[in-house]
Amino acid sequence: DSGVTQTPKHLITATGQRVTLRCSPRSGDLSVYWYQQSLDQGLQFLIQYYNGEERAKGNILERFSAQQFPDLHSELNLSSLELGDSALYFCASGAAGGITGELFFGEGSRLTVL
Amino acid sequence: QQQVKQSPQSLIVQKGGIPIINCAYENTAFDYFPWYQQFPGKGPALLIAIRPDVSEKKEGRFTISFNKSAKQFSLHIMDSQPGDSATYFCAASMKSNYQLIWGAGTKLIIKP
Repeated sequence: DSGVTQTPKHLITATGQRVTLRCSPRSGDLSVYWYQQSLDQGLQFLIQYYNGEERAKGNILERFSAQQFPDLHSELNLSSLELGDSALYFCASGAAGGITGELFFGEGSRLTVL
Repeated sequence: QQQVKQSPQSLIVQKGGIPIINCAYENTAFDYFPWYQQFPGKGPALLIAIRPDVSEKKEGRFTISFNKSAKQFSLHIMDSQPGDSATYFCAASMKSNYQLIWGAGTKLIIKP
């Protein structure tokens, strides 16, 4: 158990809909990262937050947005969903002042868009 | 310059064999090189990592070999077991920009 909690574990929705994925980082971790992983594909970095502020942005679509709240949990919002958005979405956290690159991943949220 | 190139894409090895996964990078500013292991349907988990000031690091059956001059590093799994079947990702990071650059992943199958 990595200590990172993601909900929901599974989500099935229709094209054009909007969903929100939630992540609670490990206790004490200030950084939250969001990744997308399509079937049998690599990890696509979406966005990183550090203590409530956006720190880095990857290949995140304009239809997607995220935020980190004062209690350090984070939400990833996906809107106007398309079939191609079906994927595993992972959240990871990293320790404050810790080693960049030492991430702890949640179990992921599997999104299916029909 | 920010890429990490990983090979092979997939690998099948008999039980007891030594699979080797290779990664190469260009940016000499990288200062931390982790390997992550991912089982199907699970999140990646940090397996082992190395810094460029050492040439080798061992943790149990897993070894990282690091060649700073060639800008390459590799993962070796000794006495491989079917339970090692997973996707392995190499990565590289530098503290100065807080980013972690990932390799494309290697799907490893260990045959009984």
